Amino acid sequence: GGIITQTPKFLIGQEGQKLTLKCQQNFNHDTMYWYRQDSGKGLRLIYYSITENDLQKGDLSEGYDASREKKSSFSLTVTSAQKNEMAVFLCASRSLGDQDTQYFGPGTRLLVL
Amino acid sequence: QEKVQQSPESLIVPEGAMSSLNCTFSNSASQSIWWYQQHPGKGPEALISIFSNGNKKEGRLTVYLNRASLHVSLHIRDSQPSDSAVYLCAPNSGGSNAKLTFGKGTKLSVKS
Repeated sequence: GGIITQTPKFLIGQEGQKLTLKCQQNFNHDTMYWYRQDSGKGLRLIYYSITENDLQKGDLSEGYDASREKKSSFSLTVTSAQKNEMAVFLCASRSLGDQDTQYFGPGTRLLVL
Repeated sequence: QEKVQQSPESLIVPEGAMSSLNCTFSNSASQSIWWYQQHPGKGPEALISIFSNGNKKEGRLTVYLNRASLHVSLHIRDSQPSDSAVYLCAPNSGGSNAKLTFGKGTKLSVKS
């Protein structure tokens, strides 16, 4: 088995601030993902990475940067936090086989004051 | 872009009843369909997937896939209060496209 760790668990920021979220996985998976989850809107893909140093934009990449420093870690940066923003950011990973399971971390909860 | 619709938005069933959740998707090339369960404050967890037309049974869970109508359903037999969660449907296009597309989910509440 493996685990996905996300830090921090809770993040409170100020409007306009640059905020960084981190994700680590020990599954040795090739592909990693960042999703944003808002109430009533489901999961929306922000960025994903098929391998180390690869970056692919998802449907919601504007306002975010990402970095795949090594196979086990994937970081997401909110470039300028929006006032009253509240969302959960979920990191996930999986191997590239069609039948392979995608595993999720517990999430980082963001609140912007 | 894949479109995924789930119904109903919310479902309340008594303990011991059958829970039935539906999902339609737009991409006929989707190779497998996944169902995820998400409890409050947690990340989604993979429950069951189906690849071939027809049905697949695992314990109290049964999934039906109809590729012609682009429809998949999840049925939970003998529903328990611990089954109360949000259920997410996610088609997988497979191949070089590494993305899953998620529906907005069905919130299931099982009342004891």
